[in-house]
Parts: sequence; structure tokens; C-alpha cells
Amino acid sequence: QITLKESGPTLVEPTQTLTLTCTFSGFSLSTSGVAMGWVRQPPGKALEWLALIYWDDDKRYSPFLKHRLAITKDTSKNQVVLTMTNMDPVDTATYYCALLPEVGIYFDSWGQGTLVTVSS
Amino acid sequence: QSVLTQPPSVSGAPGQRVTISCTGSSSNIGAGYDIHWYQQIPGTAPKLLIYANSNRPSGVPDRFSGSKSGTSASLAITGLQAEDEAAYYCQSYDSSLSGVVFGGGTKLTVL
Repeated sequence: QITLKESGPTLVEPTQTLTLTCTFSGFSLSTSGVAMGWVRQPPGKALEWLALIYWDDDKRYSPFLKHRLAITKDTSKNQVVLTMTNMDPVDTATYYCALLPEVGIYFDSWGQGTLVTVSS
Repeated sequence: QSVLTQPPSVSGAPGQRVTISCTGSSSNIGAGYDIHWYQQIPGTAPKLLIYANSNRPSGVPDRFSGSKSGTSASLAITGLQAEDEAAYYCQSYDSSLSGVVFGGGTKLTVL
């Protein structure tokens, strides 16, 4: 059974750096073809893709946020970490981590999401 | 402004058929990249509904179907049920942006 769970601060101040961790089970991110990603959703708004990381450590970022994002993996801990610098109130959103299938670029398993509020 | 365009809302009575469109461009759907659909019930995470244009994951009822043509795609829901009331999102890959793109989402109301 595949499970994913996001964790991190629920409140961050403007200009701070956000660090979110996705802890997963039921698969290994060191297996060829496996990839994971982050997607966010501001309250009442649409989904927005942020980043992907592949089993071979290849990384992809949203071109709109690339300068602020970093995604890393720790296969020994079954974790993926997303950092986002210079947080702003418009970054207030629910952040989801998700698993991609071995073939195709879509998300077939999702975490429950974690709401991050940016406010002073 | 989303790269993929969806109608903000659609509605239908129980038992009816509704369709949700997703319009892209020559750098995503028109370039041959697959379309995928998600269902999001309020307060919950998105759930994969259709992948690779027309395939249903295990457990998704065959009332849900997807199609793609040219630079557009559609999600059809037949035999509408109250439990189908949710937001629906299309998603693809865009070669100009070199990344994943989502539609703006469509809220389905079951009357």
C-alpha cells in the first residue's frame, strides 16, 4: 500500500524559507523510473505544479518559481524535501506531494496535503 | 491564467450526462502530450480519475470517460450521481514551459 504524508510548518512569516517534507511508504525512490512531485493549491483556487524529482536525481521545476525552489530526496529515509525561499502571503496554499507512475507524467497517488499560511 | 482552459462550472441533474472541456495549444495537447483528469472533493486531495487521455485507474466507475482531439480534450460523466459533485482538473505536459500544466478546474454541481 502506497502512502504519502506531508509535514512542515503551518505558519511562516514573509521572506522566510519554507521547508516541507514528504514521507512515503510502499515504494522506493531509488527504483528505476520512479518520480515524485509537489503541487500546491491556494484556497479556492486551482492546482499548480511546483517540482519533480526522479529516481536518478534528475529534477524539474516550474519555470515561474524555479528561482525559489529546491527539491531533494533521501532514499534511506523515504523522504522528499521541498524548500521555497522568500515566502510571500500569495504563497499561502495547501501543498501536496504526489507519486508519478513509471511511465507518464501525471500523479497517481497523493498525500493528504498540508496548509501553509504566510503571515506576519 | 491557466495554460489549459476549462469552464469554471457545469451542472446537471442526477442521471444526466455532462462533459467538461479542456482546451490547450500546440505546445501541450496539440503536441501529442497526454491529458489526465483528477477529481477533487472539497476538503480532500485530488484523485486520479483518467490517465493517458482515456484510461481509468482501478476502482473508477466506467461512468467516467475521457477523450482527446487536436488541441482539446473532454471528460464525460454519464448517469450523474450526487457523489460526483466535485472539482475536476485536467493536466498535461507543456514543451514550451518544460513542465506540468493544469487546467483552472471545473466545479460540477449536481442539481
